[in-house]
Amino acid sequence: SQQGEEDPQALSIQEGENATMNCSYKTSINNLQWYRQNSGRGLVHLILIRSNEREKHSGRLRVTLDTSKKSSSLLITASRAADTASYFCATGSAGNEKLTFGTGTRLTIIP
Amino acid sequence: NAGVTQTPKFQVLKTGQSMTLQCAQDMNHNSMYWYRQDPGMGLRLIYYSASEGTTDKGEVPNGYNVSRLNKREFSLRLESAAPSQTSVYFCASSADRDTEAFFGQGTRLTVV
Repeated sequence: SQQGEEDPQALSIQEGENATMNCSYKTSINNLQWYRQNSGRGLVHLILIRSNEREKHSGRLRVTLDTSKKSSSLLITASRAADTASYFCATGSAGNEKLTFGTGTRLTIIP
Repeated sequence: NAGVTQTPKFQVLKTGQSMTLQCAQDMNHNSMYWYRQDPGMGLRLIYYSASEGTTDKGEVPNGYNVSRLNKREFSLRLESAAPSQTSVYFCASSADRDTEAFFGQGTRLTVV
């Protein structure tokens, strides 16, 4: 089974609105990362948050991490059509060198 | 700056045939990974290599073998392809597990 589960599986919003997606994971982690994938392409790194951090910002992205609940959220503010993509969380687990991905959220921005 | 290069980009195999997917990175990264992506399943880790000379199984290693030929190259071999191995395969590399991973553009493999 996969380490991470994103929620919702799919999300459609109007351009300009904020988009929030969530990730839950199962085991202790060293860090959690978020990636974006445009259709049929390779993944692109967005942001990394370490296990001792609670919140991190990068441009229009805001990531939170709650290790007690084993969950993270990604907020994209003032969405744009170009944000249409799939978003994945990935975790580096304590004790090994694996980097495992969740199932993804498909985000559609409606112009 | 090529980053992570995968070859081939597309491949059609007949059941039982073998092939090797090639991956090379030019960023002097220690860690390399092979994933497969099926519709609705996200990315599943097949094998990974934390450093030159070491490889470890991921979530779905059955039917695959890997070789970390040197620090730059990490190949994935299908010895006897099966239709269940039809997927998009991604190679990735990172300095280590706790840093940003860079992905290749993927190999679309169809087994008929």
